[in-house]
Amino acid sequence: QVQLQESGPGLVKPSGTLSLTCTVSGTSTSSYYWNWIRQPPGKGLEWIGYIYYSGSTNYNPSLKSRVTISLDRSKNQFSLDLRSVTAADTAVYYCARSGDSSNSRYNVYWGQGTLVAVSS
Amino acid sequence: DIVMTQSPDSLAVSLGERATINCKSSQSVFYTSNNKNYLAWYQQKPGQPPKLLIYWASTRESGVPDRFSGSGSGTDFTLTISSLQAEDVAVYYCQQYDSTPFTFGPGTKVDIK
Repeated sequence: QVQLQESGPGLVKPSGTLSLTCTVSGTSTSSYYWNWIRQPPGKGLEWIGYIYYSGSTNYNPSLKSRVTISLDRSKNQFSLDLRSVTAADTAVYYCARSGDSSNSRYNVYWGQGTLVAVSS
Repeated sequence: DIVMTQSPDSLAVSLGERATINCKSSQSVFYTSNNKNYLAWYQQKPGQPPKLLIYWASTRESGVPDRFSGSGSGTDFTLTISSLQAEDVAVYYCQQYDSTPFTFGPGTKVDIK
């Protein structure tokens, strides 16, 4: 079955870089959109961006200057880098996979999420 | 950006009764070229990731009980739980995937009365 698992540091210092990896199993990263979504504690969901299997990316303009999403098809992983973090970036970070067709950009499969706190 | 709003913020429904959640987008998410609404619904229980319930506004994801249904078109959408079960206690989010940035509604919390 399809599984996604986020990994990375749970604590990042202010002004540092938040780096997370999503390891994918049961499906290939040679298709689909691969998304990062975050949820501050007790709040709603915010889409960060996606990388298409071709390598093209699309980021939320609110974060675009600080975000890079990359894909490593050989490892079946994709990654998130968020630079110059502040306390406002404290959140549970989810990775997610889209539906089957190029129009199906809803999120079918989700990782369990990882809490990243920004604090000195 | 397309702004998504939901109503109510929360609701409490008796077991076996109907729960209705509304979602409104600030612009149409309907594509005439393929006659589809780019609108999804998710269910999130505490400590869990969101779970896809409905996509294309009304298509139920595989394995989702048929008491969940989605309707609407253009800018106005509804998620209906026809007979609320205890396991349906959760927060429900709508999301548009018509144009980036993809945006979610603020969520509606459903509880048992």
